[in-house]
Amino acid sequence: DAGITQSPRYKITETGRQVTLMCHQTWSHSYMFWYRQDLGHGLRLIYYSAAADITDKGEVPDGYVVSRSKTENFPLTLESATRSQTSVYFCASSDSRTSNEKLFFGSGTQLSVL
Amino acid sequence: KQEVTQIPAALSVPEGENLVLNCSFTDSAIYNLQWFRQDPGKGLTSLLLIQSSQREQTSGRLNASLDKSSGRSTLYIAASQPGDSATYLCAVAGGGNKLTFGTGTQLKVEL
Repeated sequence: DAGITQSPRYKITETGRQVTLMCHQTWSHSYMFWYRQDLGHGLRLIYYSAAADITDKGEVPDGYVVSRSKTENFPLTLESATRSQTSVYFCASSDSRTSNEKLFFGSGTQLSVL
Repeated sequence: KQEVTQIPAALSVPEGENLVLNCSFTDSAIYNLQWFRQDPGKGLTSLLLIQSSQREQTSGRLNASLDKSSGRSTLYIAASQPGDSATYLCAVAGGGNKLTFGTGTQLKVEL
């Protein structure tokens, strides 16, 4: 099905482990984003990508790594998970040639770090 | 640094009432403003996008306005229904379509 999909939907991991959250979109959108949503903070941008092989930091990038070798995929890796990274993670995409395009979100990954 | 504030944080209204949600932002240099809806445990759905050169957008019972100079936007919902119950988020776009979000207004429409 067309759209933007995230996997896994739920993930429990332990402190210090590496975990990768997957994001795949079928629209060939140029822009992709990773946000985390926490009570009291709303959604905050972790990393974004303007095109394949182009990524940049957002507001809260520490402890995260991204890559974008293909336009349709934008995985987010927590290299050594910490309890403060327990959150709901959302991937989003947009076809922004003019910076005036709607953002489309995935259903989210709920991550718990024990 | 852009800051986005939404008031009220929560709102409960009877079915059929017209209501207004407020959003304010500190930096008027924006490309667009978007209103999203989020249902519990779900992702965000874009409702309306107002470009920086526009003053309002309408979709069905929803109308959003933008006053860029004063850093304000409102989302007007007409004839509210229980199905409108959700959290509504406002977000402003800077360069590269990066959005800064408010913390949302949790709306409950009661029968």
